[in-house]
Amino acid sequence: DVKVTQSSRYLVKRTGEKVFLECVQDMDHENMFWYRQDPGLGLRLIYFSYDVKMKEKGDIPEGYSVSREKKERFSLILESASTNQTSMYLCASSFTGNEQYFGPGTRLTVT
Amino acid sequence: KQEVTQIPAALSVPEGENLVLNCSFTDSAIYNLQWFRQDPGKGLTSLLLIQSSQREQTSGRLNASLDKSSGRSTLYIAASQPGDSATYLCAVRPSNSGYALNFGKGTSLLVTP
Repeated sequence: DVKVTQSSRYLVKRTGEKVFLECVQDMDHENMFWYRQDPGLGLRLIYFSYDVKMKEKGDIPEGYSVSREKKERFSLILESASTNQTSMYLCASSFTGNEQYFGPGTRLTVT
Repeated sequence: KQEVTQIPAALSVPEGENLVLNCSFTDSAIYNLQWFRQDPGKGLTSLLLIQSSQREQTSGRLNASLDKSSGRSTLYIAASQPGDSATYLCAVRPSNSGYALNFGKGTSLLVTP
């Protein structure tokens, strides 16, 4: 069965903290994605990776970085968390050309 | 940039009705289109994937159609049930801009008993 897991369902951090969100997939997918979802704005792509150590910026990469050292794991890093990064973060993975599978999401609150 | 629109934004129907959710996109150059379901506070569940060469896909009570030339897709739900209540999202993968999806803002469906 397809499985994408995210390290936390809920996270509360303080302004200025460095935050790590982790995503793991067990399907040997080459592509992995990080989106954020906000009311009224929908899902927006932050970064994606099409291979180990490869990454591409999405629509809203500012304030974020990513790391993909192993094929199954894709990490999103908030270098210095700010209140406008309070959001639902969703990770996804896919084979090229095929459907994307999503994790359960991490609801991050930055205070 | 590809724009994806879903109408209506919200829909309430009595149990047992057949219903149609609409999705439109501005650029017909797509690789595929995917329909998702999202329950409150949860991640997305993939329902159907239609490749650009296909006209429709079916899974159980769900049928999705694709008219690429007119930039439209519909999701048909037969014999709706209260358990179908969720937000339904349409997403297209453009054929000329990488692997990521462009999402609509969703249709929030409520099926009342």
